[in-house]
Amino acid sequence: GQNIDQPTEMTATEGAIVQINCTYQTSGFNGLFWYQQHAGEAPTFLSYNVLDGLEEKGRFSSFLSRSKGYSYLLLKELQMKDSASYLCAVRDNAGNMLTFGGGTRLMVKP
Amino acid sequence: NAGVMQNPRHLVRRRGQEARLRCSPMKGHSHVYWYRQLPEEGLKFMVYLQKENIIDESGMPKERFSAEFPKEGPSILRIQQVVRGDSAAYFCASSSAGGKGNTIYFGEGSWLTVV
Repeated sequence: GQNIDQPTEMTATEGAIVQINCTYQTSGFNGLFWYQQHAGEAPTFLSYNVLDGLEEKGRFSSFLSRSKGYSYLLLKELQMKDSASYLCAVRDNAGNMLTFGGGTRLMVKP
Repeated sequence: NAGVMQNPRHLVRRRGQEARLRCSPMKGHSHVYWYRQLPEEGLKFMVYLQKENIIDESGMPKERFSAEFPKEGPSILRIQQVVRGDSAAYFCASSSAGGKGNTIYFGEGSWLTVV
């Protein structure tokens, strides 16, 4: 089975840096995804890690350690529009499905 | 370059009616996934389809729910005899191929309300 944990809520200040952690215990692993989801909207793809290390894409970076079952999403220079839920998802060995964590609701304050 | 298209965006059904949700994958994508998101909960996998084939339906409820992806036309998620607990957002996603190394993109979702 798959078990994915991430904090339920986080608060950060505009302009700051925030790190959202995700730990997973899975029977199979074939990549980890991060999505952003604003309330009432679709999840938007942010990043995909399949190898260990850091992937940087503009203000967003994602890190993966497969041996530790651990990933984080780093958001720099926070903007008010970054207030959203951030979803960590692991793909199974067959590549058929993503298992999602419960999501981390990030609130950015002025 | 249209993304994953879902319709209707919002659907209201009375208990006992049928709901049909449609999904057209992104251009060039032949793999479709359906996910359900209950209020205040995470996304849960329902079913994975390729054209004319159901590959993995391990997340589908055993009764009342069915999905298809015909050779022509959109994928359809069908819910028969809806109940209040079916009220949720249903998201369709697509990829260019199943398996490893392919990013999965989500549609805007269909919000079903059962009254």
